[in-house]
Amino acid sequence: GAVVSQHPSRVICKSGTSVKIECRSLDFQATTMFWYRQFPKQSLMLMATSNEGSKATYEQGVEKDKFLINHASLTLSTLTVTSAHPEDSSFYICSASEGSGEKLFFGSGTQLSVL
Amino acid sequence: GQNIDQPTEMTATEGAIVQINCTYQTSGFNGLFWYQQHAGEAPTFLSYNVLDGLEEKGRFSSFLSRSKGYSYLLLKELQMKDSASYLCAVLSGGYQKVTFGTGTKLQVIP
Repeated sequence: GAVVSQHPSRVICKSGTSVKIECRSLDFQATTMFWYRQFPKQSLMLMATSNEGSKATYEQGVEKDKFLINHASLTLSTLTVTSAHPEDSSFYICSASEGSGEKLFFGSGTQLSVL
Repeated sequence: GQNIDQPTEMTATEGAIVQINCTYQTSGFNGLFWYQQHAGEAPTFLSYNVLDGLEEKGRFSSFLSRSKGYSYLLLKELQMKDSASYLCAVLSGGYQKVTFGTGTKLQVIP
């Protein structure tokens, strides 16, 4: 089946630094990629929808200047958490859809801890 | 907007059958997913329903009624490893946006 690679799997950083998370579709072209965050014991919250070659569409309440998304190619999307603060600590997961989007393929997730 | 509701927690006995319900309100409905998620891991795909009716896949079955905005996931012959969160997610809109429900934490007990 299709594979989505996400890394790093875990990152610990100091407050004020920026962190980049990569999401790659390994054996298919992902026309659309999605970024989610998940707090402990809660469901996935969609942050933004990323389409190759165009600006990401952010969900209400998500700061686009803080969570920079770049989808430069059909196989790579990146999420950069800028000037990270402890409240940004969360589990971030990407997913990618191929073509019609009937099936989502998830990355393995990134646990971000901001000290 | 979208509204997806699931029970927060359920407990069932090993070997039994459990039904997890999901109700939704959305515009531009295209389909409904069920995912299983173990703590600290990414969700894994279980099923995708587009048309009304029941789809069976091994021990897992999923049902959809579009007119009622209702779906359920049926798990048979429960095993301890089935203890996990089960996420209902709706696919909608032109950009094929997927919105997740709050998830149902299922605990299987001996």
